Amino acid sequence: NAGVMQNPRHLVRRRGQEARLRCSPMKGHSHVYWYRQLPEEGLKFMVYLQKENIIDESGMPKERFSAEFPKEGPSILRIQQVVRGDSAAYFCASSLGVMAEAFFGQGTRLTVV
Amino acid sequence: RKEVEQDPGPFNVPEGATVAFNCTYSNSASQSFFWYRQDCRKEPKLLMSVYSSGNEDGRFTAQLNRASQYISLLIRDSKLSDSATYLCVTSNMDSNYQLIWGAGTKLIIKP
Repeated sequence: NAGVMQNPRHLVRRRGQEARLRCSPMKGHSHVYWYRQLPEEGLKFMVYLQKENIIDESGMPKERFSAEFPKEGPSILRIQQVVRGDSAAYFCASSLGVMAEAFFGQGTRLTVV
Repeated sequence: RKEVEQDPGPFNVPEGATVAFNCTYSNSASQSFFWYRQDCRKEPKLLMSVYSSGNEDGRFTAQLNRASQYISLLIRDSKLSDSATYLCVTSNMDSNYQLIWGAGTKLIIKP
């Protein structure tokens, strides 16, 4: 049973481009979380999704950021018109259900140049 | 007041010593509790779930105190490889069962 898979592991984008981060949850997991982490800082919650539904997006900026978790396929975190301040590690985690433990992918390190 | 609070540390501990740290939570309806560890520039990894009766996994013991609203993690016979940041996590109905994370406690084991 493969773990949570994130790709790409590293992504370099120029300012103004779009970044698409993918997360395939563990088999059977229908809950996905996205987090952002800057060096030497803690995890910052961005969005919590269940299949086809956004449950809580309170941690996600209103502009330029969007997330989806379609019925088929991976969860996608999309950042439009990236700026230098978007450079960070983005972690995805999945869980089996409510109150269950979450398992993390290895993260995508986004660098905006 | 943060929902989940942890002493950020760092805790500097000699190898072989026992170390313990707590995590307090503000929502009395919290129902699930976990400890994760995160190594520098890596993803968090589940260390152990915390059960009402307390639980032990090798050198690690986790306890839940509902009356005082905290969970604890005890590490015995600490190893150099235990150096990491330890994250406390809870969830409750009020947060749509979303996982609520503490900011972490940094532990440094010294030889």
